[in-house]
Amino acid sequence: GAVVSQHPSWVICKSGTSVKIECRSLDFQATTMFWYRQFPKQSLMLMATSNEGSKATYEQGVEKDKFLINHASLTLSTLTVTSAHPEDSSFYICSANGLAGDTSYNEQFFGPGTRLTVL
Amino acid sequence: RKEVEQDPGPFNVPEGATVAFNCTYSNSASQSFFWYRQDCRKEPKLLMSVYSSGNEDGRFTAQLNRASQYISLLIRDSKLSDSATYLCVVNSGSARQLTFGSGTQLTVLP
Repeated sequence: GAVVSQHPSWVICKSGTSVKIECRSLDFQATTMFWYRQFPKQSLMLMATSNEGSKATYEQGVEKDKFLINHASLTLSTLTVTSAHPEDSSFYICSANGLAGDTSYNEQFFGPGTRLTVL
Repeated sequence: RKEVEQDPGPFNVPEGATVAFNCTYSNSASQSFFWYRQDCRKEPKLLMSVYSSGNEDGRFTAQLNRASQYISLLIRDSKLSDSATYLCVVNSGSARQLTFGSGTQLTVLP
């Protein structure tokens, strides 16, 4: 199956700083990447959908100026949490689907997640 | 009303027990249905897709009732390693987006 990596796996930062999270597809071309957020004991909530080379589509209630998403290549998408505050502390997970040769992946493959703690 | 609703549990069952999880979805245009498993502090992993005809994978059986907009997962002969949160997931077709239920927590006890 396809592999998606995320970096870093966890990060602790001070309030007001910005944090960048990388999501990479390792063995396939990720034409679409999805960013989710999960608070403790809650389900995954889709934040945004990004297609390579175009602007991300954000879900209602997600501030696009606070959560900057870049999907500049078929193997990399980044999420930057700008001016992070304690309420942004959460588990951020990316997923991707796309192509590997002649195989089209409709299934979403998830990265291992990034645990963000803002002090 | 939530788009995907699940019985939150928790379910605490002994090893070897049979346990069933239920899920309902509100969007009648939903096209694809899945059960994912999520271990604590880990990403969700696909357990199985769910088809109208029902499908089975070893000890796991999934059923879909489109008329009632209802999905189920049956786990037979529970193992300790089955302890996890089970997520009911629906794809409503838009940009391949997935909508997750809040999950049902299962603990299998020795």
